[in-house]
Amino acid sequence: QKEVEQNSGPLSVPEGAIASLNCTYSDRGSQSFFWYRQYSGKSPELIMFIYSNGDKEDGRFTAQLNKASQYVSLLIRDSQPSDSATYLCAVNTGNQFYFGTGTSLTVIP
Amino acid sequence: SAVISQKPSRDICQRGTSLTIQCQVDSQVTMMFWYRQQPGQSLTLIATANQGSEATYESGFVIDKFPISRPNLTFSTLTVSNMSPEDSSIYLCSLRDTRDGYTFGSGTRLTVV
Repeated sequence: QKEVEQNSGPLSVPEGAIASLNCTYSDRGSQSFFWYRQYSGKSPELIMFIYSNGDKEDGRFTAQLNKASQYVSLLIRDSQPSDSATYLCAVNTGNQFYFGTGTSLTVIP
Repeated sequence: SAVISQKPSRDICQRGTSLTIQCQVDSQVTMMFWYRQQPGQSLTLIATANQGSEATYESGFVIDKFPISRPNLTFSTLTVSNMSPEDSSIYLCSLRDTRDGYTFGSGTRLTVV
């Protein structure tokens, strides 16, 4: 079992819709959770992090964490074509940092 | 957040040769990390580079193939040695940015022909 799992997609949503990206992790001791955005040919950039159960909002982005279900998600409201990218979920477990394989998102104008 | 300057940004190399990738950080950091991202894949940790000691390699990666230097707290290099087409990948250096995840260099896109 992989440490971090994501659906690879591709996920397509129309402009203005809500994009929902999901991630599960295997280690219950995981402490912090991150979402990175990676444009094609570019390096990952951090867009959200969350440590506690519940929701964390930052502009159009909301991260949701449910430690009981070992599940973390990212919602993007009012999706824009510029949001089209691969979104990587990452989990910090002790001294290890694991990345998911990423979900490709396309926002259709 | 710290800023990482990574170079080269891309290179095309002949098989059997070596390429050294450099990362310069604008502040002192204890640990730097080197990742590989093969086409369509996520990031795989190659090794952790500590200043003043040998790098710690992950399973599947060895020092002879990926020697790392860490001469001071702001600089590190990764060499990809005796390259083959299977080494074609994006290579990224990174550092832990307090609690808030990792910051990445801009990446080196390597193509081995």
